[in-house]
Amino acid sequence: DQQVKQNSPSLSVQEGRISILNCDYTNSMFDYFLWYKKYPAEGPTFLISISSIKDKNEDGRFTVFLNKSAKHLSLHIVPSQPGDSAVYFCAARQDSGGSNYKLTFGKGTLLTVNP
Amino acid sequence: SQTIHQWPATLVQPVGSPLSLECTVEGTSNPNLYWYRQAAGRGLQLLFYSVGIGQISSEVPQNLSASRPQDRQFILSSKKLLLSDSGFYLCAWFMWGFGYTFGSGTRLTVV
Repeated sequence: DQQVKQNSPSLSVQEGRISILNCDYTNSMFDYFLWYKKYPAEGPTFLISISSIKDKNEDGRFTVFLNKSAKHLSLHIVPSQPGDSAVYFCAARQDSGGSNYKLTFGKGTLLTVNP
Repeated sequence: SQTIHQWPATLVQPVGSPLSLECTVEGTSNPNLYWYRQAAGRGLQLLFYSVGIGQISSEVPQNLSASRPQDRQFILSSKKLLLSDSGFYLCAWFMWGFGYTFGSGTRLTVV
């Protein structure tokens, strides 16, 4: 059972337009959400995160929105640039009360930004 | 600064051969360490995590094992590789205040 779902395996947008990547989750115990960006043959790099007590977090061109009632979050990239082309992973953490920090990842969405 | 090293970058191994992937971190102590795998067409799956020396937790039953012989060293092993072990293996570490950082990964192809 996949607890974090990214239903769009790929997305293609024009340079300068908005990219919207979606993520749904099923576990209501998740309390922290993160987005990672991954280029081929490299490890994922952290992009932006949001706590479950917030509904929006913004960092430059990147904004993450969280809708807890719908168990849905989205990453907006505005304006999109060709260098943004990568696989984007949505990840979620469940607070287990200990020192561990396991993340559950979605399958990723390949974003292609066309010049 | 904190860094994480993973090697080798690529590996081609025959079915039935052993495996040893190593991950080391620098610039920190007592980190939580993780092994993830990205199989073709799939997301990142957590395989093992360790909160300290000699402490290993397995997330999914599989043909692999992990060990943490030193505070900043995390090793992924197999006695006999299967074709299904092919994938992109990522080591990661987490520490409060620094977040969750991934290594550059190892592309394993079992032939």
